[in-house]
Amino acid sequence: NAGVTQTPKFQVLKTGQSMTLQCAQDMNHNSMYWYRQDPGMGLRLIYYSASEGTTDKGEVPNGYNVSRLNKREFSLRLESAAPSQTSVYFCACRWDRWADTQYFGPGTRLTVL
Amino acid sequence: QKEVEQNSGPLSVPEGAIASLNCTYSDRGSQSFFWYRQYSGKSPELIMFIYSNGDKEDGRFTAQLNKASQYVSLLIRDSQPSDSATYLCAVNNPGGATNKLIFGTGTLLAVQP
Repeated sequence: NAGVTQTPKFQVLKTGQSMTLQCAQDMNHNSMYWYRQDPGMGLRLIYYSASEGTTDKGEVPNGYNVSRLNKREFSLRLESAAPSQTSVYFCACRWDRWADTQYFGPGTRLTVL
Repeated sequence: QKEVEQNSGPLSVPEGAIASLNCTYSDRGSQSFFWYRQYSGKSPELIMFIYSNGDKEDGRFTAQLNKASQYVSLLIRDSQPSDSATYLCAVNNPGGATNKLIFGTGTLLAVQP
C-alpha cells in the first residue's frame, strides 16, 4: 500500500517546454488535489477533482491543465513552462466530501530555467 | 487579511518544554481544522484535526479550538528535537460541493537540545 505516489521527484525544464506531473493513489479516495508550495506563500490549490470525470479550478490555475484519468490517477500538465512555475508540487487525496482529511504525496520539485 | 494566519517563526523552545503554535482564521463558517507537520524537503503529514470547541488530546499533542475568537492552537508537550519542523494550520473552506482546505504559511518550530 503505497498511499499517494508522484512522478517524477525532480525535474528541470527550459522556458516553453511542456511536461506532465503524474499522481496516483491506492487509497480508493474520491477527491484528488494539486497544490504548489512556494517559500512564504504556503500551499496553494491549483486544481482539484471531486470525483472521476470532474475537475475544478483552485486558487492558482493559470498555466496548468489537469486530467482525472480514472479514480486512481490525477495528472497536472504544464503546456508552456515559465520560470514563475518553479515550485514544489504536491498531490493529495481525500476520501469523501464529509471527511476533510487530505493525504499528501511526496512531491515533485520543478525548476524552470 | 489572509484567510489563515500563522506566525512564521522560528519558534525556539528548549527540549522538554511546551511548544505553543497559534493560528487564526477569517471565515466564521469554517467547520474543521487541521494541523500538519512538514519536515524540510518532505510532504505535509496530518497530526491532528478538531471539529468542536475545546481541547482534543493525542499523546503529546493537544489541539485547542475557539470558534468565537476564530483561533486554533497546537500544544506540544515535552518537546523533542525530532519535533523540529514547520507546522501548517489548515481550515476547511465550506463553500462549494467539495470542501477545500485553506492553509496558513506555517510556523517553523526549532527544539533546542
